[in-house]
Amino acid sequence: SQQGEEDPQALSIQEGENATMNCSYKTSINNLQWYRQNSGRGLVHLILIRSNEREKHSGRLRVTLDTSKKSSSLLITASRAADTASYFCATAYSGGGADGLTFGKGTHLIIQP
Amino acid sequence: DSGVTQTPKHLITATGQRVTLRCSPRSGDLSVYWYQQSLDQGLQFLIQYYNGEERAKGNILERFSAQQFPDLHSELNLSSLELGDSALYFCASSVAGTSHNEQFFGPGTRLTVL
Repeated sequence: SQQGEEDPQALSIQEGENATMNCSYKTSINNLQWYRQNSGRGLVHLILIRSNEREKHSGRLRVTLDTSKKSSSLLITASRAADTASYFCATAYSGGGADGLTFGKGTHLIIQP
Repeated sequence: DSGVTQTPKHLITATGQRVTLRCSPRSGDLSVYWYQQSLDQGLQFLIQYYNGEERAKGNILERFSAQQFPDLHSELNLSSLELGDSALYFCASSVAGTSHNEQFFGPGTRLTVL
């Protein structure tokens, strides 16, 4: 079963506006990662935030992590048409050992020109 | 381009058949992860190999198996295929043996079972 849940499931905004997506998860984590997927193609890694970090920036991306609420948000500023894609959060369990990422269901973002 | 390659891009086969999906990780990465993406189940972790050894198992069916070869490429074998196995299969690679680092995904293999 999937641990992460993104909110909203779909988001449509005008080009130039900011887009905010949220992710909630259930277990303790080592890190949380955000990925982008364009139309059924491969996933592109966007940003990784570790459990001891609260905020991270990368270009137009800003990610926050609140481990007490088990939630994260991804903010894309000054959106562009090329940002149209599905965005997934993925968590890495902190229990040690090896394991794969647990993905949420994703937010489908549409940027209207 | 992530540096991870997967072949074939598309595969169409019939129920009951067996197929093999191939993945070459990024140069220097020792871990290979396999994921399945379907409309109803979303993205699910199947199995991980690290430097030739199985490291972790996720929601992988008994009909599915994988291996990683000495040159670090990996193959995912799917047998006795069912309609519900139709999905996108991704492999990802990372340098470490855990999910504590970013993973780089290949373009995927789209499997259609008729």
